[in-house]
Amino acid sequence: QVHLVQSGAEVKKSGASVKVSCKTSGYTFINSAISWLRQAPGHGLEWMGWISGHNNITIYAQKFQGRLTLTTDTSTRTAYMDLRSLRSDDTAVYYCARDTAYFDRWGQGTLVSVSS
Amino acid sequence: EIVMTQSPATLSVSPGERATLSCRASQSIGINLAWYQHKPGQAPRLLIYGASTRAAGVPARFSGSGSGTEFTLTVTSLQSEDFALYFCQQFSNWPKTFGQGTRVEIK
Repeated sequence: QVHLVQSGAEVKKSGASVKVSCKTSGYTFINSAISWLRQAPGHGLEWMGWISGHNNITIYAQKFQGRLTLTTDTSTRTAYMDLRSLRSDDTAVYYCARDTAYFDRWGQGTLVSVSS
Repeated sequence: EIVMTQSPATLSVSPGERATLSCRASQSIGINLAWYQHKPGQAPRLLIYGASTRAAGVPARFSGSGSGTEFTLTVTSLQSEDFALYFCQQFSNWPKTFGQGTRVEIK
């Protein structure tokens, strides 16, 4: 079975960085891509970026350009999301999802809380 | 960016009844649309992709239809476990975008 397991909740100060991991299992990691998404309180889902599982090619949403870095470690089948210069409006639940154009499997979500 | 608009925001339905949810795209997306179910504290679950193809393990009471800019998710004979948030997503263009969701609640 396909599983994506994310790292635990984080509490950060404004201006800090956060790195969330997404450990996958149950499928061939290099044959798929991973997208990262988030849902802020009272808001809908927002796609942040995409990373290929086999060549680390990335596509970022324009609003996160320069602040977001997606990486993978194929040896551990793990994807990482690094978001810098955090602001209070970055407080959200962050998800990784296997991206096959749509998102057929999701991680359980990681709450990132940013305080000033 | 393609804007996805869902209606209604909330749908009150009695168990056993039918629920019809709508999703509209700001421009044509062909059939590049997916539907998801989301319950509090859980990961979203893919229900439908390609506008009308049920994902593996999704009960037959869930069906999707539409193309271009207008799409519908129908849940026939709602079960207790179907009361949740539903949202649509287009994968025709980057960035991939979502509707704001329809909450299906018990009437």
